Amino acid sequence: TQLLEQSPQFLSIQEGENLTVYCNSSSVFSSLQWYRQEPGEGPVLLVTVVTGGEVKKLKRLTFQFGDARKDSSLHITAAQPGDTGLYLCAGGGLGNDYKLSFGAGTTVTVRA
Amino acid sequence: GAVVSQHPSWVICKSGTSVKIECRSLDFQATTMFWYRQFPKQSLMLMATSNEGSKATYEQGVEKDKFLINHASLTLSTLTVTSAHPEDSSFYICSASDQPQHFGDGTRLSIL
Repeated sequence: TQLLEQSPQFLSIQEGENLTVYCNSSSVFSSLQWYRQEPGEGPVLLVTVVTGGEVKKLKRLTFQFGDARKDSSLHITAAQPGDTGLYLCAGGGLGNDYKLSFGAGTTVTVRA
Repeated sequence: GAVVSQHPSWVICKSGTSVKIECRSLDFQATTMFWYRQFPKQSLMLMATSNEGSKATYEQGVEKDKFLINHASLTLSTLTVTSAHPEDSSFYICSASDQPQHFGDGTRLSIL
C-alpha cells in the first residue's frame, strides 16, 4: 500500500493570510488528486495533477506536483472563511492505478 | 457532470438490524465503485472495491459477510451492513470511478 503523509494535520489562520498544505510519499504516483470535504458531505475534487513539476491554479488555490511525482502541495492565497474544510490528497485513481491512497487530511479553519 | 448520488444520507436504527446504502452514478456508467468508511476528523479508509457483475474486492480487515456489496448494474452499487452494532456507526462514503473518482455525499449511520 502506498502511503501519503500530509502536513500539517490542523491549521488555523486569520482571514487574508496564506497557507500551504503538504503531501509527501516515498512512492511515485501516476497521478495525485486534491479534495476538499465539508462536515457531513463527501469529498469534492479540486484538481488532478499527472505530470512531474506540474503547477495548476484554481482561483486563489495553487497546486504543485513534485518533479519526481512523490509529493505535492496546495497553497491558498488570501484565505477566506469559505476555504474552511478538510483537505485531502490522494494518490492514484487513474489508469491501472485506479485505487486511491488517501493522506490523513488537513483540517483548515479560516477565522473571520 | 460526474454526479454520484448516495442514499440515504442519514439513518438511525436498532442494534441487530441490517441497513442498505445505495450509490448511483447519475450521468455516467461506472464499472468500478468504491466504498469508504470515515471516522470524525479522520481521512477516508477504503473498505472494498465494487466491480460490476463480479464479486467485490475487500481490503484487509474488512469482513465481507458483515459488509455485503452488490454491483448489479453499471450505475448502482449497494452496501448492506448486516446485523449492525453500535461499533458500526460511522460515515460511509461511496465513489464511482470516471477517472478520477467522484464521491457521493455520504451516509451517516447511527446504531443504537
